[in-house]
Amino acid sequence: RKEVEQDPGPFNVPEGATVAFNCTYSNSASQSFFWYRQDCRKEPKLLMSVYSSGNEDGRFTAQLNRASQYISLLIRDSKLSDSATYLCVVNNRGSTLGRLYFGRGTQLTVWP
Amino acid sequence: DAGVIQSPRHEVTEMGQEVTLRCKPISGHDYLFWYRQTMMRGLELLIYFNNNVPIDDSGMPEDRFSAKMPNASFSTLKIQPSEPRDSAVYFCASSSFGVAGEPSSPLHFGNGTRLTVT
Repeated sequence: RKEVEQDPGPFNVPEGATVAFNCTYSNSASQSFFWYRQDCRKEPKLLMSVYSSGNEDGRFTAQLNRASQYISLLIRDSKLSDSATYLCVVNNRGSTLGRLYFGRGTQLTVWP
Repeated sequence: DAGVIQSPRHEVTEMGQEVTLRCKPISGHDYLFWYRQTMMRGLELLIYFNNNVPIDDSGMPEDRFSAKMPNASFSTLKIQPSEPRDSAVYFCASSSFGVAGEPSSPLHFGNGTRLTVT
């Protein structure tokens, strides 16, 4: 089983729509969680960290459910510029200190 | 800060040739990672270093791949001999981690090297 699994999509939504992505992780000892964004032919960049209590950054809301071992990202009022691939990332403690596990990514296209 | 710097940006080579990819991490970051990204397999961790020491190289595909970090500001990933299936985008990333592995900075990626082996 992969460490991190995501629905690859693609998600195609109109401008202004609300869209949500989910991601599941297999290691219950995982401690840190992130969403990264990757534009076409570019490098991944940190979008936001995910905290236990959930957190919001403008139109973006991230939530963590430790019991079910999943992370979600909600994008409200989608913009054309939100079109990208969104990567779920998990950091585990223990022997692999410092190692981050990336999901395959969920592709989002926002159309006018 | 200039960010993580990788070179070359693009590399086209023939099967059997040696390929060397270079990376300069962000100053002060003590972790350096090499990733490979393909459409089929996504982003795969090849190897990572902590304070110039390789910590986990279990993702290195085979003996044809080797990585070094002779000092805190430079790392190389070498493929010898190269094969068409090595064609991918290779990313270098750096970060620093605080107590118990909690990131004290996000992972910063370089622009990547797009490798094509014909």
